[in-house]
Amino acid sequence: GQNIDQPTEMTATEGAIVQINCTYQTSGFNGLFWYQQHAGEAPTFLSYNVLDGLEEKGRFSSFLSRSKGYSYLLLKELQMKDSASYLCAVMDSNYQLIWGAGTKLIIKP
Amino acid sequence: GAVVSQHPSRVICKSGTSVKIECRSLDFQATTMFWYRQFPKKSLMLMATSNEGSKATYEQGVEKDKFLINHASLTLSTLTVTSAHPEDSSFYICSARGQGQLTQETQYFGPGTRLLVL
Repeated sequence: GQNIDQPTEMTATEGAIVQINCTYQTSGFNGLFWYQQHAGEAPTFLSYNVLDGLEEKGRFSSFLSRSKGYSYLLLKELQMKDSASYLCAVMDSNYQLIWGAGTKLIIKP
Repeated sequence: GAVVSQHPSRVICKSGTSVKIECRSLDFQATTMFWYRQFPKKSLMLMATSNEGSKATYEQGVEKDKFLINHASLTLSTLTVTSAHPEDSSFYICSARGQGQLTQETQYFGPGTRLLVL
């Protein structure tokens, strides 16, 4: 079967760095996405990785290792507004998105 | 770029009535649109995938006669919840992907429609 695993909840301090991990087992791979979803709102696109390595975009970076079936989202200089759920999703061989359950990130002052 | 709108943002209706939700891609042509529902504190659940000009593909367990999807143009898809019941109350979100974005594989989400059936 297809499976995406990410921690249910994480807590971090304002100004710090946090890494949210995602491991996956899917039938085929056509890229991995990270989305941010604030409570009561729809997801917003953060990043897309299809090749191994680190993609940096401002305070957010996303890493992919296809051989390990592993990705992480790194958030630096955390701000209170970063409190949200972070969704990992993998596009399988049929170009369907397989969604993780999301990681709720709580930022404390 | 890659803006998706959804209307209405919130709807309250009586049990037994039908509700139509519109999803529009504003600045790109969406060859594929997706409809999700999400219950509080739960993950996104894909309901169906629709390609412009063809019938929607429904996920297992989703009643196609209850959730009617029409994708008549490259910028508009509609979801009609027919004979809505309280258990249909949920957050419905559409997403779109297609031509003209940074990556053609990326799904861009509408803001969602919160449906409450009394």
